[in-house]
Amino acid sequence: AQTVTQSQPEMSVQEAETVTLSCTYDTSESDYYLFWYKQPPSRQMILVIRQEAYKQQNATENRFSVNFQKAAKSFSLKISDSQLGDAAMYFCAYRSAVVAGNQFYFGTGTSLTVIP
Amino acid sequence: NAGVTQTPKFRILKIGQSMTLQCTQDMNHNYMYWYRQDPGMGLKLIYYSVGAGITDKGEVPNGYNVSRSTTEDFPLRLELAAPSQTSVYFCASSYSSANYGYTFGSGTRLTVV
Repeated sequence: AQTVTQSQPEMSVQEAETVTLSCTYDTSESDYYLFWYKQPPSRQMILVIRQEAYKQQNATENRFSVNFQKAAKSFSLKISDSQLGDAAMYFCAYRSAVVAGNQFYFGTGTSLTVIP
Repeated sequence: NAGVTQTPKFRILKIGQSMTLQCTQDMNHNYMYWYRQDPGMGLKLIYYSVGAGITDKGEVPNGYNVSRSTTEDFPLRLELAAPSQTSVYFCASSYSSANYGYTFGSGTRLTVV
């Protein structure tokens, strides 16, 4: 089974600053997708950004961007101009395109605190 | 558009009791999933379904059962509840293509005492 590792259980950032959350994964598949999900205290899981493994260009969504290094199996999330509303648990996730059910594999999460 | 609706949001069970967590989606997604989320452990797949009448085990299926009689509904049944089943449960759905993300329900916090 694929594994997803988030080595930073907790991170903090000053409001308006930039923070990078790390994620690595292990797979032998060539076709897959990577995601970052945000889980605020409300518990709702919210999709932040998605990256196709076959694309070299890093995905960007407003203040959120990724650094995708396929050879290194690394997929970090950069949050620019951090806002108080960015405080949440962030999960990195791998989605197989070949395993039955195309299930997601999730990391253990990084809790982000934004300091005013 | 309701998305994925989970009920109940909270529940306390006594050891040995049974219950069903309900999950309904109105997006005509073929794929549906049940995950449990434990502190520091991320989300673990319990069961999934790729269409009505088709279900399969995930990583942690013991103590649970599912059914998928319609495209919309994917209930999760807990038989003989145990303290180890205390967790937050998420239902999710998706189109079959892997480039789509999941749409999640709002979760059920279950405590077994």
